[in-house]
Amino acid sequence: QQPVQSPQAVILREGEDAVINCSSSKALYSVHWYRQKHGEAPVFLMILLKGGEQKGHEKISASFNEKKQQSSLYLTASQLSYSGTYFCGTEIRNQGGKLIFGQGTELSVKP
Amino acid sequence: NAGVTQTPKFQVLKTGQSMTLQCAQDMNHNSMYWYRQDPGMGLRLIYYSASEGTTDKGEVPNGYNVSRLNKREFSLRLESAAPSQTSVYFCASRRTGPANEKLFFGSGTQLSVL
Repeated sequence: QQPVQSPQAVILREGEDAVINCSSSKALYSVHWYRQKHGEAPVFLMILLKGGEQKGHEKISASFNEKKQQSSLYLTASQLSYSGTYFCGTEIRNQGGKLIFGQGTELSVKP
Repeated sequence: NAGVTQTPKFQVLKTGQSMTLQCAQDMNHNSMYWYRQDPGMGLRLIYYSASEGTTDKGEVPNGYNVSRLNKREFSLRLESAAPSQTSVYFCASRRTGPANEKLFFGSGTQLSVL
């Protein structure tokens, strides 16, 4: 039931773009995206509640393909501050708010 | 606002000892969660509670018990700690209902079981 994230790790130079994917074997009600810096708690980025929905947060945006049971996080013109581990969290319908996270994608942005 | 408060921040236990991790939120959220985080494993759900008086198992509930004491507090108990329970534990809360909202996390508890 745990969603699968890919890639597991990515290294970028400042200004480059990246895509992180999150896929589920079950039909999804919503997808959350969080970023975690080392030694800190995860921080909310965005939540997608409807199939096909796309949301943006500065230069970070995400899409949700309900039919394919997957979501993608897009980071454009990356900055050093984007470094961290990105987690998608998924909810399945009628499970009383149960929220399961993927294993994470470690992103490193180099100067 | 304090948000989600977890105590303690650090704890070292010997195998077989018991302890309770405390969590409280002041945002009037109905849902609360306990996750553990191990390197390469992401955040794994231990237990969650959709409302006061209800609790449900997550992905890795074995070896843990929880209590939703009231709407604010959700505690996690290790009855007989094992080295495999060495981890960072996060409590989180959010509002769920007609529209499920984002999670707010506590700062975490680093637990070592020797």
